Amino acid sequence: KNQVEQSPQSLIILEGKNCTLQCNYTVSPFSNLRWYKQDTGRGPVSLTIMTFSENTKSNGRYTATLDADTKQSSLHITASQLSDSASYICVVSANFMSGATNKLIFGTGTLLAVQP
Amino acid sequence: EAGVTQFPSHSVIEKGQTVTLRCDPISGHDNLYWYRRVMGKEIKFLLHFVKESKQDESGMPNNRFLAERTGGTYSTLKVQPAELEDSGVYFCASSESQGAWAKNIQYFGAGTRLSVL
Repeated sequence: KNQVEQSPQSLIILEGKNCTLQCNYTVSPFSNLRWYKQDTGRGPVSLTIMTFSENTKSNGRYTATLDADTKQSSLHITASQLSDSASYICVVSANFMSGATNKLIFGTGTLLAVQP
Repeated sequence: EAGVTQFPSHSVIEKGQTVTLRCDPISGHDNLYWYRRVMGKEIKFLLHFVKESKQDESGMPNNRFLAERTGGTYSTLKVQPAELEDSGVYFCASSESQGAWAKNIQYFGAGTRLSVL
């Protein structure tokens, strides 16, 4: 079954601290892995996209890693800010060569709260 | 440039009524997607349009849901008649390119929160 699991479910950290969010997936056939940030009341916004040949991708203070062998990914946030408070969703794109949609399979997200 | 816009932002209806959600994609984006997030669950794919054609509607829950994209611009998602389990947040997304290996970025709208009472 195609599935994306994230941990922890929620996390509280102090402003300025670093944190790492985890993602494990069982999706086949794999196309790419994405991390999205979703602020309350907004739609998800793409942070990074990685194919199986890319094992790290950075976007400012966000750094994503991918281990395609173990089917694990992480999102590291450096020097957190209050504005980082959001839900972070790991999404795996499944590549169905039959011509159907490149489907996005979502995790349930990690809810991050950054406190002053 | 305007992003993906969805209307209404929130809809409260009674079981058995009809509701129509609207999505305006980013101008020029041929691909339009509908997703749904039911309370406590992950976001799930509903269907995908390429221009006005339904490319993949494998995620549509049942025949009470009807999506259209006349003219290949905006799209509507109608639920008729609505049931309690249809409550959730319905997201629309659009993208420029779509291919087996394309790293197409999907831009999401803010969603429509549907509450069926």
